[in-house]
Amino acid sequence: GEDVEQSLFLSVREGDSSVINCTYTDSSSTYLYWYKQEPGAGLQLLTYIFSNMDMKQDQRLTVLLNKKDKHLSLRIADTQTGDSAIYFCAENSGYSTLTFGKGTMLLVSP
Amino acid sequence: IAGITQAPTSQILAAGRRMTLRCTQDMRHNAMYWYRQDLGLGLRLIHYSNTAGTTGKGEVPDGYSVSRANTDDFPLTLASAVPSQTSVYFCASSDGLGAGYTFGSGTRLTVV
Repeated sequence: GEDVEQSLFLSVREGDSSVINCTYTDSSSTYLYWYKQEPGAGLQLLTYIFSNMDMKQDQRLTVLLNKKDKHLSLRIADTQTGDSAIYFCAENSGYSTLTFGKGTMLLVSP
Repeated sequence: IAGITQAPTSQILAAGRRMTLRCTQDMRHNAMYWYRQDLGLGLRLIHYSNTAGTTGKGEVPDGYSVSRANTDDFPLTLASAVPSQTSVYFCASSDGLGAGYTFGSGTRLTVV
């Protein structure tokens, strides 16, 4: 079956880079996603990467995919206090259904 | 309406009562989903619908039912609520693989 694992907590200082890691088990995943959840809100799609790509960059966000090791990472450059949130990794696990990790809480201190 | 609307925003419900959580989208997405979010367990899929008229079971379907009479609405019903169904419930929709999901703001349900 599919399982997505993430570390639960990351703390960084404002201006530093943050790297959130994720491992998944379904080698047939076509897309992998990163979502952000702010307190009291739903999940917001941040970015996604197609499985035949190694890297995708979108402004301050860089996604790296190591398909051989089934490892996905999200790097946030110049992390700001507004980036404090829970970040979820997700993989597609069937016809359009996604399997989510448990989320990584990112805390950015001034 | 813009995106996905869930109602109610929060609810306290007596155990044994029947409850329907409402979800409406205005994006004409074919697929819709219900997840529950619990501390330490992340998001777990309850039921999904790939298109109007069809539904499927997710990871934790017991105690819940859904219907998809049209494209826009995907209500989730708890026939007889139990305290273990206390959770935050998120509805989501998608227009296909690669597009990701659009999420509603959630319904916080407490069963006492």
